Amino acid sequence: AQSVTQLDSHVSVSEGTPVLLRCNYSSSYSPSLFWYVQHPNKGLQLLLKYTSAATLVKGINGFEAEFKKSETSFHLTKPSAHMSDAAEYFCVVRFSGGYNKLIFGAGTRLAVHP
Amino acid sequence: SQTIHQWPATLVQPVGSPLSLECTVEGTSNPNLYWYRQAAGRGLQLLFYSVGIGQISSEVPQNLSASRPQDRQFILSSKKLLLSDSGFYLCAWNLGRAGYQETQYFGPGTRLLVL
Repeated sequence: AQSVTQLDSHVSVSEGTPVLLRCNYSSSYSPSLFWYVQHPNKGLQLLLKYTSAATLVKGINGFEAEFKKSETSFHLTKPSAHMSDAAEYFCVVRFSGGYNKLIFGAGTRLAVHP
Repeated sequence: SQTIHQWPATLVQPVGSPLSLECTVEGTSNPNLYWYRQAAGRGLQLLFYSVGIGQISSEVPQNLSASRPQDRQFILSSKKLLLSDSGFYLCAWNLGRAGYQETQYFGPGTRLLVL
């Protein structure tokens, strides 16, 4: 069975400090992994994705994530948080079926303080 | 370029009333289409997906239904809303064919409040 776990429901950082949002997955196959961001009352925007190419994936807005197969993790990081990064972040694994079913984590709400 | 639209943006409906949410995609042909629901403080749950006109698959038993009358139109409906139907409904699309990216692209969402 395929599943995804986001280890923190809330993360709070100060502006200018690093961000770490943790995600672990369970998959019987080589997964495709994604991070999406959702700002309040908005739809989801793709930050980055891993599809079996480079294990370190760079996304938009300075975010990046590293795929670690041995740890079944895909943590999202950013060196320096900005106030505009405050949002909810979803780690997502693609189900290896024929219709691209996505399985979403429960989300991590990131708060950024001045 | 492709765009995805959802309407209405916000909807307040009484319990027992009908529902119709619409999603349309522009700039592509024969997309896969998806309806998700996001309950307050929770992740997204896939409700329905469609790989073509008239082809609907349901992921979760419920009092909602979906239809795809046209290639780029996806409709979420209910005959009688329940309080538990409140949430944020997101439509998404992708192509998903061999050689294409798997990424799903999401619409702006419809916030539904059932009172």
